[in-house]
Amino acid sequence: SQQGEEDPQALSIQEGENATMNCSYKTSINNLQWYRQNSGRGLVHLILIRSNEREKHSGRLRVTLDTSKKSSSLLITASRAADTASYFCATTPNAGNMLTFGGGTRLMVKP
Amino acid sequence: NAGVTQTPKFQVLKTGQSMTLQCAQDMNHNSMYWYRQDPGMGLRLIYYSASEGTTDKGEVPNGYNVSRLNKREFSLRLESAAPSQTSVYFCASSGARPSTDTQYFGPGTRLTVL
Repeated sequence: SQQGEEDPQALSIQEGENATMNCSYKTSINNLQWYRQNSGRGLVHLILIRSNEREKHSGRLRVTLDTSKKSSSLLITASRAADTASYFCATTPNAGNMLTFGGGTRLMVKP
Repeated sequence: NAGVTQTPKFQVLKTGQSMTLQCAQDMNHNSMYWYRQDPGMGLRLIYYSASEGTTDKGEVPNGYNVSRLNKREFSLRLESAAPSQTSVYFCASSGARPSTDTQYFGPGTRLTVL
């Protein structure tokens, strides 16, 4: 079973708009990571946020974590066509040491 | 520095055939992983190796075997392929702390079992 569930499953926006993806998970976690997957390629790590952090930035990416709601969000600002990809959250539960991936959000950014 | 490499890129098997997927990393990572990704879904862990000489089952190990040949190489074997094993297989590696270290992924092997 998947620990994380992304919402929405698919998102289509215009270039320049912001894209927000959400991830909910079931058990207490050590950390949460976001990965990107371009079509037909492997996953690429974007950002890691620890359970004691609430917000983290990396370039145009902003990640928030709300452990009380067991949820995280990934915001991509000023989106570009090159941001078109699937985005996955992955969590490490407190009781384990392996990543568990969600089902992903497919983002399409139209030029 | 090639990162994580996988061979082959594509493979078509008939039910009952066997094959081995190869994975190698040149980042001196301790941990290596095999995942499968089915259409429209996230990755599910098949097996992992936290260090050379050790392997452990992940979420979906049935029908697979693995070998950590050395620190660089981690292979996945399908002894008797079934149509349910049609999927994209990804190998990944990370540092000594799987829970916090970034995982680096290979390009994937697309396997079809007829």
